[in-house]
Amino acid sequence: KNEVEQSPQNLTAQEGEFITINCSYSVGISALHWLQQHPGGGIVSLFMLSSGKKKHGRLIATINIQEKHSSLHITASHPRDSAVYICAAPHYGGSQGNLIFGKGTKLSVKP
Amino acid sequence: EPEVTQTPSHQVTQMGQEVILRCVPISNHLYFYWYRQILGQKVEFLVSFYNNEISEKSEIFDDQFSVERPDGSNFTLKIRSTKLEDSAMYFCASSNRGLWEQYFGPGTRLTVT
Repeated sequence: KNEVEQSPQNLTAQEGEFITINCSYSVGISALHWLQQHPGGGIVSLFMLSSGKKKHGRLIATINIQEKHSSLHITASHPRDSAVYICAAPHYGGSQGNLIFGKGTKLSVKP
Repeated sequence: EPEVTQTPSHQVTQMGQEVILRCVPISNHLYFYWYRQILGQKVEFLVSFYNNEISEKSEIFDDQFSVERPDGSNFTLKIRSTKLEDSAMYFCASSNRGLWEQYFGPGTRLTVT
């Protein structure tokens, strides 16, 4: 069974700062998800990655399969980035089954 | 862009009542999921559904829960006799590739009083 750990749990930043959120997991996986949960509760899928790096706008996600670690970076952070960021990995590592979620990192970006 | 929708957005019910939460997955998707998130806790898997049957369920998904795809578009979660501890946000997700590229709905907040 996969265990997913995120750090930090809470993060406060000033607008414009570079943000890094970390995720580690215990079982080798086929892919990892990064999700964003808005204050209203809705979840949006940001990235699904299996190797290397993906970039979407100011968001960058990296994964190191050997080290079982992934990071989510936000460049030039903005107050609208304030949300909870969650990583999720397959329970058994493969592409079937279900996802195990981290506890989330609550990001607050101050103007 | 296609999206997963869920209704209602908020449901309040009394303990012991039956509730049905509805989801409309993305139209060509084949895999369907329900997750829940109790306030302040992490998201938890409930059940996955493929080819008109449950493919996997968690320990949470006991006999009080059931899922159905009554027609070609809806995917429902029924809780037969709600308990206070069922109060949570319930998310539906769909995919065309299993755990790859899951699309989440906006959630239904269920409050059991």
